Amino acid sequence: AQSVTQLGSHVSVSEGALVLLRCNYSSSVPPYLFWYVQYPNQGLQLLLKYTSAATLVKGINGFEAEFKKSETSFHLTKPSAHMSDAAEYFCAVSDNQGGKLIFGQGTELSVKP
Amino acid sequence: GAVVSQHPSRVICKSGTSVKIECRSLDFQATTMFWYRQFPKQSLMLMATSNEGSKATYEQGVEKDKFLINHASLTLSTLTVTSAHPEDSSFYICSAGGQIEQYFGPGTRLTVT
Repeated sequence: AQSVTQLGSHVSVSEGALVLLRCNYSSSVPPYLFWYVQYPNQGLQLLLKYTSAATLVKGINGFEAEFKKSETSFHLTKPSAHMSDAAEYFCAVSDNQGGKLIFGQGTELSVKP
Repeated sequence: GAVVSQHPSRVICKSGTSVKIECRSLDFQATTMFWYRQFPKQSLMLMATSNEGSKATYEQGVEKDKFLINHASLTLSTLTVTSAHPEDSSFYICSAGGQIEQYFGPGTRLTVT
């Protein structure tokens, strides 16, 4: 069975500050890991994904995440927050690239001016 | 890029009636589609996996007789909420499984009065 835990349901940062959203996973098989962003009343947009290639994954909008097997983590970072980054972020795990996703609880990111 | 549409985007229905939600992959064929449900301020919960030409696979706790899923073609899956009740009010999101990732629709907001 697979599961995802996102630490912190709400994270608040100042504009220009580092963004760090935490995600830990559990999987009995090599995982595929994803980060999605959701704006209010919209679907999900893929930020980045780990598919067993490079452990440091770069995504859209300046986000990146590092896969650390020893820590079973896939934390999302961005060096400098922008007001437009305020949204809900979901970490997800799957056992294949196009298969069903198991989502974490989500982290709401607020960006203060 | 791959585009998935949902129709309608919003629907209000009376308790006891049924409502159908369509999910279409616009520029690719999707053997597999997924249906998720999202309550306010909560994560996405997988309801069922829909495979073209075969019966859907429902997640534990999801009533298959209440949430009817049909995947009649490689570009269309439908979710019918039968005898809807206010507790079925939610945001329903579909996704289509591509070879390297899932592509999400914009979601359908269902309100049952």
